[in-house]
Amino acid sequence: AQRVTQPEKLLSVFKGAPVELKCNYSYSGSPELFWYVQYSRQRLQLLLRHISRESIKGFTADLNKGETSFHLKKPFAQEEDSAMYYCAPHLPNYSGGSNYKLTFGKGTLLTVNP
Amino acid sequence: IAGITQAPTSQILAAGRRMTLRCTQDMRHNAMYWYRQDLGLGLRLIHYSNTAGTTGKGEVPDGYSVSRANTDDFPLTLASAVPSQTSVYFCASSSLGLPNTGELFFGEGSRLTVL
Repeated sequence: AQRVTQPEKLLSVFKGAPVELKCNYSYSGSPELFWYVQYSRQRLQLLLRHISRESIKGFTADLNKGETSFHLKKPFAQEEDSAMYYCAPHLPNYSGGSNYKLTFGKGTLLTVNP
Repeated sequence: IAGITQAPTSQILAAGRRMTLRCTQDMRHNAMYWYRQDLGLGLRLIHYSNTAGTTGKGEVPDGYSVSRANTDDFPLTLASAVPSQTSVYFCASSSLGLPNTGELFFGEGSRLTVL
């Protein structure tokens, strides 16, 4: 069963518009949560983690324990925000091995049009 | 600052051949990981190592093996490549191992095509 869901494979917005990339996870506990970003022809890199409560490049993400969501938001999208975004919560590893593993969602490709 | 270096960056391989993807980090991180990235499937963990001398299976370990003889190197071997192993492979490291990995640092990826 899918344990981390990013419902939109593709998301297209215009420059200056608000953007929200959705992420839901299946776990009743309080996982450590991350968003990673991959810009074109660059390596994956950490965008933000919820425990630090930072705003990186104008993005924020709030943990909603009731909805088990960790949506990524930015009030005014910029063209340079175009990238692949991955939600990555730490979830229990029911397939064995270590107790937890960093589980990546399938990713959302964000395109910000001029 | 090198961080994580992967080699080769790209490779075309005949089915049945053996292939080793190399990964080296210079950050003295304890933990290292191998992921594969496939369109529509995101990133899936193949194998990991929490510390030198130990390894563990991830989500999709079949057909792959790893070793961790020292802190810096974490090679991934395909003993007999199959077309379904065509993918982009990412090596990553973190200062802490599972369960509390903290930030993962990724290499630039190795694009492997198995014909």
